[in-house]
Amino acid sequence: DIVMTQSPDSLAVSLGERATINCKSSQNVLYSSNNKNYLAWYQQKPGQPPRLLIYWASTRGSGVPDRFSGSGSGTDFTLTISSLQAEDVAVYYCLQYYGTPRTFGQGTRLDIK
Amino acid sequence: EVQLVESGGGLVKPGESLRLSCAASGFTFSNAWMNWVRQAPGKGLEWIGHIKDKGDGGTTDYAAPVKDRFIISRNDSENTLYLQINTLKTEDTAVYYCATQIGDFWGQGTLVTVSS
Repeated sequence: DIVMTQSPDSLAVSLGERATINCKSSQNVLYSSNNKNYLAWYQQKPGQPPRLLIYWASTRGSGVPDRFSGSGSGTDFTLTISSLQAEDVAVYYCLQYYGTPRTFGQGTRLDIK
Repeated sequence: EVQLVESGGGLVKPGESLRLSCAASGFTFSNAWMNWVRQAPGKGLEWIGHIKDKGDGGTTDYAAPVKDRFIISRNDSENTLYLQINTLKTEDTAVYYCATQIGDFWGQGTLVTVSS
């Protein structure tokens, strides 16, 4: 199985500052035939289902603000929130959909400093 | 508008069985791979398995911890996804979500509580 490891487990960032969350996969999730990274990012607020933020490692989901961006390739990926807003307080998860079983990272809790 | 509505959760005893449903609307369900994901109280997301669309064979894949007890199926004529859970254990207590292929759409989840 592909193991997904996020860092840090939690972080606190001041409003308007940048937040960065990392995700490392134990195996490459870049499919060479289409040059796509099979990596997604989700945001989950308390009592709500997850919301897709990013897929193909760097493509924003529908309606996702442009302060959210994804980068990386192969085994190392980053979710960046360029200017933290109060409504961004949540737990963030990465997911690889390259292999079966699909696997999530353990989650990163983001709070306001 | 895409909607996924789970149902069938509740309080059950260890060893019992349960079937969860996920009613889909607003997209061509028959062309979609569909997932089940669960989340134990206060824990992270756990992928349970998926079922491919008929065009891709309609086959299923499961996470190792559940593959012997969980069965995913679909009824494309009724736009409904199912999760059969057999021999329930206390560690199966969780909110169960259905989601589309890359998780672009999720239901609100249904809570399954396994307790004697």
